[in-house]
Amino acid sequence: EAEVAQSPRYKITEKSQAVAFWCDPISGHATLYWYRQILGQGPELLVQFQDESVVDDSQLPKDRFSAERLKGVDSTLKIQPAELGDSAMYLCASSLAATYNEQFFGPGTRLTVL
Amino acid sequence: AQTVTQSQPEMSVQEAETVTLSCTYDTSENNYYLFWYKQPPSRQMILVIRQEAYKQQNATENRFSVNFQKAAKSFSLKISDSQLGDTAMYFCAFMKPGTSYGKLTFGQGTILTVHP
Repeated sequence: EAEVAQSPRYKITEKSQAVAFWCDPISGHATLYWYRQILGQGPELLVQFQDESVVDDSQLPKDRFSAERLKGVDSTLKIQPAELGDSAMYLCASSLAATYNEQFFGPGTRLTVL
Repeated sequence: AQTVTQSQPEMSVQEAETVTLSCTYDTSENNYYLFWYKQPPSRQMILVIRQEAYKQQNATENRFSVNFQKAAKSFSLKISDSQLGDTAMYFCAFMKPGTSYGKLTFGQGTILTVHP
């Protein structure tokens, strides 16, 4: 069964360092989402891609966060510099299209900033 | 902006019994979609059930059903014949069509524990 892949699963870094997370969506899924989930809360959308284009990054802290999906397949989310408040689970999800289709989630990357 | 509220941080139920998780939302939209997602401990989040707001009939998926009350902006999840594998965090989520198509707004979640 096809799944969304994410790496690394866990990342510990010190504040002011740069970190990067990778996501490989299910093959054929045009829409890719990055969510941030603070412990004990629901996920919050950071950025949404349709193919290689960003369609929603209104909640992305653009002074330190960046995301790309260069070939419209896999995607990278970067934080530079990391801050203590960035500690969270970063979830990637994909769907066939940006509709009410089911979103398939990856296992997430647990980030701890010391 | 849409908001989703889950007022039950934690719930517990005995195996084989029925439990209902509550969700309310706030929107000025007439057409939208509602979802329940399940996040088991250390595992991927998966879709449990979804409801289109224009459909009056409540959605059902095996042991899972919803009570959708559009006027009250309420969307509760009923789990019948609870199983140990139902233990998870459950999130209610809202999606509106249009320019924000695809964006899910999640509630805070409810931790459900099923006891043997």
